[in-house]
Amino acid sequence: GAGVSQSPSNKVTEKGKDVELRCDPISGHTALYWYRQSLGQGLEFLIYFQGNSAPDKSGLPSDRFSAERTGGSVSTLTIQRTQQEDSAVYLCASSLVYIQGKGSTEAFFGQGTRLTVV
Amino acid sequence: GQQVMQIPQYQHVQEGEDFTTYCNSSTTLSNIQWYKQRPGGHPVFLIQLVKSGEVKKQKRLTFQFGEAKKNSSLHITATQTTDVGTYFCDNNDMRFGAGTRLTVKP
Repeated sequence: GAGVSQSPSNKVTEKGKDVELRCDPISGHTALYWYRQSLGQGLEFLIYFQGNSAPDKSGLPSDRFSAERTGGSVSTLTIQRTQQEDSAVYLCASSLVYIQGKGSTEAFFGQGTRLTVV
Repeated sequence: GQQVMQIPQYQHVQEGEDFTTYCNSSTTLSNIQWYKQRPGGHPVFLIQLVKSGEVKKQKRLTFQFGEAKKNSSLHITATQTTDVGTYFCDNNDMRFGAGTRLTVKP
């Protein structure tokens, strides 16, 4: 596609419910990243994928968070039993190549999903 | 991973003043990238620096990579209100941290 697409753009959910956030990266991009950004804060790294594999899951805040990527393309971030502190903007990015310790080629970010837990 | 400190966290300037943000690493970096996020927007790639001592310019923006490849700076000359946003540097592991938030008073 033309850019990184995230859906939904906004999600309001009740505390305790599960939510799924979707990211469609740029076609051909092997690396995909998820971030969380609370209001006025920086980018909190959650997880990255190299193809369908997630070499480093240490950024996930708790075991309620999980992510997968299929076909080297679409990725889904799932938050189970949502809590109010999960409210934030969840950003996805993709890049053509990422080499651990060397860095990434230019990364492109999606518009984000604004999650509100009430 | 490599630890990078970005300073300052916040900077408020009068329109027309210059602005500089710095990224400092405890270890040598392979390269460094800079991104800008406008309020309400998503981060957008600005530039990548690879060579020791490299200097690149984009209109009023000047990017430098230190000789030791342990630090980098972004300098904006004569800030404009369109420069408002948060500037992030990436230390090769796509972990950006807090960034520097720039506000510009017209």
